[in-house]
Amino acid sequence: DVKVTQSSRYLVKRTGEKVFLECVQDMDHENMFWYRQDPGLGLRLIYFSYDVKMKEKGDIPEGYSVSREKKERFSLILESASTNQTSMYLCASSLIRAYTFGSGTRLTVV
Amino acid sequence: DAKTTQPTSMDCAEGRAANLPCNHSTISGNEYVYWYRQIHSQGPQYIIHGLKNNETNEMASLIITEDRKSSTLILPHATLRDTAVYYCIVRVAGSGGSNYKLTFGKGTLLTVNP
Repeated sequence: DVKVTQSSRYLVKRTGEKVFLECVQDMDHENMFWYRQDPGLGLRLIYFSYDVKMKEKGDIPEGYSVSREKKERFSLILESASTNQTSMYLCASSLIRAYTFGSGTRLTVV
Repeated sequence: DAKTTQPTSMDCAEGRAANLPCNHSTISGNEYVYWYRQIHSQGPQYIIHGLKNNETNEMASLIITEDRKSSTLILPHATLRDTAVYYCIVRVAGSGGSNYKLTFGKGTLLTVNP
């Protein structure tokens, strides 16, 4: 089975900090994705990548950047964390059809 | 990608079949229908997908109408562990970057009752 591992389950950061959320997949998938999930708003796509060093903006990229230096790793970066970025962050990977999601990182910015 | 319409919530008795409907009246000929579910506090889980034929796997069956404007996900013998939000998504097939994006709607909260 494909495994998608997110580095932290819970994270608390201060406003203005630079935050790195890491995601690693073990099945050589081309495509990787970062979503955030908020009550009442559902899952919203932040960024995705379909190859090493390639990235595309999703629906809500503002305030975020990403890095994909190796195929198995996709990092989400909050350059200067703000309280409105408190959310559940979900990483996913896919080859062609089905996505596999990680367990999520619940980030709180105080 | 075509939009989908699902009921906000449904109930089902444990051991009975759960039939979750989805309307996708603007689906295009090259769009697949996907179903995912999300159990509380976990990431979404892939269930099944199809293009025009009915599909079955170890988790569920997918029935797509002949005109492809709607589909039904069937969990044949629902258990308490099937309580989750179920998402119906349509997405274009094919290769290349943004064709792999999935856009999630609000889904249907299925509650399986003892």
